[in-house]
Amino acid sequence: GAVVSQHPSRVICKSGTSVKIECRSLDFQATTMFWYRQFPKQSLMLMATSNEGSKATYEQGVEKDKFLINHASLTLSTLTVTSAHPEDSSFYICSASPWDRGANYGYTFGSGTRLTVV
Amino acid sequence: GENVEQHPSTLSVQEGDSAVIKCTYSDSASNYFPWYKQELGKRPQLIIDIRSNVGEKKDQRIAVTLNKTAKHFSLHITETQPEDSAVYFCAARDFGNEKLTFGTGTRLTIIP
Repeated sequence: GAVVSQHPSRVICKSGTSVKIECRSLDFQATTMFWYRQFPKQSLMLMATSNEGSKATYEQGVEKDKFLINHASLTLSTLTVTSAHPEDSSFYICSASPWDRGANYGYTFGSGTRLTVV
Repeated sequence: GENVEQHPSTLSVQEGDSAVIKCTYSDSASNYFPWYKQELGKRPQLIIDIRSNVGEKKDQRIAVTLNKTAKHFSLHITETQPEDSAVYFCAARDFGNEKLTFGTGTRLTIIP
């Protein structure tokens, strides 16, 4: 099956520091990955679309200078939360789809990262 | 962009009864509609999906129906069990840019 690995699963950081979250497709190539944020008892909100070899596409209202996305290879995308503040505390989760396997519309999610900024 | 509405936000069902969750979407170009089950602190798990060229799909106790004309789709769970308790999300895929837009979620509680 299509597996997406996400690390770390939990991170606690001090306000003002930066945190990097990694998302890897383990058994398929992902030219596109998606980064979501989920606040408690809320839905998944798309933050940005990560494109291999090019700039990420950010959703309206998401600060691209605060949430840096790098998709340097076909299997790895990273999200860096810069100068984190308590309001950035949330559940961050990535997603990808093995489009190279043909007409497969399925999306696989990483295990998520619980970020707590203190 | 796509907008997905989901109802109800909470649903309590006696064990063994059926549960139905409904979603509507706004973009007629959307062509893929997955349903996810999410347990607390875990990743969303795909439970069933349907493409726009199909009106109904069933997998054991779970079924999804799609009405393209009305732009709505529904999840049906029969013979509910306690382990069905979770938050369920519907989603719609934007044909043009591959993005998934999620509904607001339904917290399903199965009462033993």
